[in-house]
Amino acid sequence: GDSVTQMEGPVTLSEEAFLTINCTYTATGYPSLFWYVQYPGEGLQLLLKATKADDKGSNKGFEATYRKETTSFHLEKGSVQVSDSAVYFCAPRYSGAGSYQLTFGKGTKLSVIP
Amino acid sequence: EPEVTQTPSHQVTQMGQEVILRCVPISNHLYFYWYRQILGQKVEFLVSFYNNEISEKSEIFDDQFSVERPDGSNFTLKIRSTKLEDSAMYFCASVGRTTSGFNSYNEQFFGPGTRLTVL
Repeated sequence: GDSVTQMEGPVTLSEEAFLTINCTYTATGYPSLFWYVQYPGEGLQLLLKATKADDKGSNKGFEATYRKETTSFHLEKGSVQVSDSAVYFCAPRYSGAGSYQLTFGKGTKLSVIP
Repeated sequence: EPEVTQTPSHQVTQMGQEVILRCVPISNHLYFYWYRQILGQKVEFLVSFYNNEISEKSEIFDDQFSVERPDGSNFTLKIRSTKLEDSAMYFCASVGRTTSGFNSYNEQFFGPGTRLTVL
């Protein structure tokens, strides 16, 4: 079935380090792709999205590019901050999902230390 | 800014008991969802609800589960007879319609979750 594979965590980085969190999805149909973030004690928030091949989603310094050829949607940030510490979820939405539900990865916990 | 709220934040119950998890979606939203996340595992889709009926449900959403929108604002998930394996974080989400209509890339707004512990 439809699925998504996300880099296992936890990931610990120093402030201003470069971040990559890998995400690959199964190539069923033409999904829309999302990254959600969950800050401690809060709900899931949309971080960015991309809806077609080569689209780049960006927000708060984070970027991810929809790569159809590699079925990937890796999350990157050039210089992380302590406030970026959170759990990050990759979540495709497959076209067969009639009510547009999301398929989530396991989540990657990021800790940024000063 | 409008937000989805969920109560309680933590529910502890005995196996076999009924629980009701409550959600208040954003007021003009049309689609409502429940997801769950067992500790250390993926966030999994349970059910979607539109126009006062279930739109889709996953294999997890068996006869022990039910949803309703009793009063036009609350959206509830009921587990009739809880099992140990129902222990998880339960997230509610809602989606509204944009100027381009309702489509696959509309943002889902999530609540903070209810942690259910079944003893």
